[in-house]
Amino acid sequence: KAGVTQTPRYLIKTRGQQVTLSCSPISGHRSVSWYQQTPGQGLQFLFEYFSETQRNKGNFPGRFSGRQFSNSRSEMNVSTLELGDSALYLCASSVTVSPLETQYFGPGTRLLVL
Amino acid sequence: AQSVSQHNHHVILSEAASLELGCNYSYGGTVNLFWYVQYPGQHLQLLLKYFSGDPLVKGIKGFEAEFIKSKFSFNLRKPSVQWSDTAEYFCAVRNQAGTALIFGKGTTLSVSS
Repeated sequence: KAGVTQTPRYLIKTRGQQVTLSCSPISGHRSVSWYQQTPGQGLQFLFEYFSETQRNKGNFPGRFSGRQFSNSRSEMNVSTLELGDSALYLCASSVTVSPLETQYFGPGTRLLVL
Repeated sequence: AQSVSQHNHHVILSEAASLELGCNYSYGGTVNLFWYVQYPGQHLQLLLKYFSGDPLVKGIKGFEAEFIKSKFSFNLRKPSVQWSDTAEYFCAVRNQAGTALIFGKGTTLSVSS
């Protein structure tokens, strides 16, 4: 099976712009979670989607949003980019939303905000 | 709120040395525990996980971890490290009510040959 794929892999934006990142989960996985990884804060949970519904949300401002499509693919959007949004954005998928499920991570999208 | 502490930020070892990375979590209820590894230039991979049962769990590549409930700890061990174990290691916890993983800040392991 193909793993979790994320596009694009690298992105450079300027402050004030918006960006959309895409994640395709492992085939058959219906839950997608997003995480932000920075050197200072480590890995922080952004949100989780299951069956096109947001199930859980981390402590991030409203500029961060996401959605999930009927084929389980997910996108996250960051509006009005700030320098501090520079990070590696990771997507993880699992079959369901059970706490017993293992999450499988993609390679990430590295976003640089100038 | 749940939190995870990894006490060692950077560990440097020679090949064949033994490894123990500390992980403590704060949550009073039932938790699921994970160790993930991120090799240079690669994505996060699951090393091992604990859900219930035997508190000593074995993972891939010779790693194991022991869950000690009374100490809220889930330390990662390997008897003899190899140069290829150079990576960043993350401990994570998830409670029974949620599915979000709460990660520690990570420990960078550097193994010299």
